[in-house]
Amino acid sequence: AQKVTQAQTEISVVEKEDVTLDCVYETRDTTYYLFWYKQPPSGELVFLIRRNSFDEQNEISGRYSWNFQKSTSSFNFTITASQVVDSAVYFCALIMNRDDKIIFGKGTRLHILP
Amino acid sequence: DGGITQSPKYLFRKEGQNVTLSCEQNLNHDAMYWYRQDPGQGLRLIYYSQIVNDFQKGDIAEGYSVSREKKESFPLTVTSAQKNPTAFYLCASSIYWSGYEQFFGPGTRLTVL
Repeated sequence: AQKVTQAQTEISVVEKEDVTLDCVYETRDTTYYLFWYKQPPSGELVFLIRRNSFDEQNEISGRYSWNFQKSTSSFNFTITASQVVDSAVYFCALIMNRDDKIIFGKGTRLHILP
Repeated sequence: DGGITQSPKYLFRKEGQNVTLSCEQNLNHDAMYWYRQDPGQGLRLIYYSQIVNDFQKGDIAEGYSVSREKKESFPLTVTSAQKNPTAFYLCASSIYWSGYEQFFGPGTRLTVL
């Protein structure tokens, strides 16, 4: 079965703290793609990152970083020095090469408290 | 500016009426998608189109219909057969149908009274 699990339903941290959002996926395919999206209160989903299954290099983009580990089927997202503007729902997603329909996790609602 | 537009942002309809949600993209993307999001929930795929003049049912297509007569347009009709149509509807597109990131419009919040 193909599945994306975001076990953290809701997280609250104080501004400037670091926070990690967990994502665990299941697939039997060897070729697949992983994504993270941000959904601010306005509702529009904003694309953050795409990673293919053959590239396990971690990625850093400003205060955002992603840790992809095939051994544990995880693709975790860390925000360093969080800011109030980071408050949103974050979705992890998976596309398998043979199917191509995107599978979203249920999302993690992140509250950054001033 | 390239992007995806959805209109209107808020839509109210009486029960039993069909309603059409607009989705337009000027990104020259081949693939387009419609999702439904209920409060506190993830996204569920309604319909998708890999290329113009072609579309397939997603996971929750019952009570919905679409057309893809132009590359840039993918309107969604919510019919009276949809049992619980009140939801937030998101349209998305991707450059091709195969492992590429999807870009989303601002969404339409439909309320059926």
